[in-house]
Amino acid sequence: GAGVSQSPSNKVTEKGKDVELRCDPISGHTALYWYRQRLGQGLEFLIYFQGNSAPDKSGLPSDRFSAERTGESVSTLTIQRTQQEDSAVYLCASSPGLESSYEQYFGPGTRLTVT
Amino acid sequence: DQQVKQNSPSLSVQEGRISILNCDYTNSMFDYFLWYKKYPAEGPTFLISISSIKDKNEDGRFTVFLNKSAKHLSLHIVPSQPGDSAVYFCAARSAGGTYKYIFGTGTRLKVLA
Repeated sequence: GAGVSQSPSNKVTEKGKDVELRCDPISGHTALYWYRQRLGQGLEFLIYFQGNSAPDKSGLPSDRFSAERTGESVSTLTIQRTQQEDSAVYLCASSPGLESSYEQYFGPGTRLTVT
Repeated sequence: DQQVKQNSPSLSVQEGRISILNCDYTNSMFDYFLWYKKYPAEGPTFLISISSIKDKNEDGRFTVFLNKSAKHLSLHIVPSQPGDSAVYFCAARSAGGTYKYIFGTGTRLKVLA
């Protein structure tokens, strides 16, 4: 079956512009996660959606970052007024969202470069 | 505050020998621990996991050991193969209502032929 897809795969933008990254999770997965991986570093948690519950936004680094999810499907991560330190690979993952189902399925990521 | 730590950024092992990757954590409320493998330009893929109530889980060449008293887990790969060369991330799931995962910074494993 189809895995997690992300678009675009690469995005180059000028400092100060807004960008929108998209994630299509696996159908039926109620949990969706966004992570950021800066060059040479680990995965940094950004935000987590679970069903109709309020999202856990505790990892968003500033108010320039926001994310939405439409029901249990597509999610978009928006970065406003991008800065050079926002350059990173942004990874989306989904999971069935059950206590007994802990494996996350990752998309290939969006590489964001802010010039 | 780094709750999950992988203190070795890289590791080189000869093909056929054992690879041991280590991970330390600080939060005793984690209920599941997972290892992911990541190749360049791809998303991480799940490798193996262990519940906090177990101390060992084995799957083929991969074994994960959990020492709760030391808040330490390790991934053993034996025998190591060149195709195992990748970055390995340790992750821990925080229980209690929401299932949030904290990842370590990764260890780059290179298996030499």
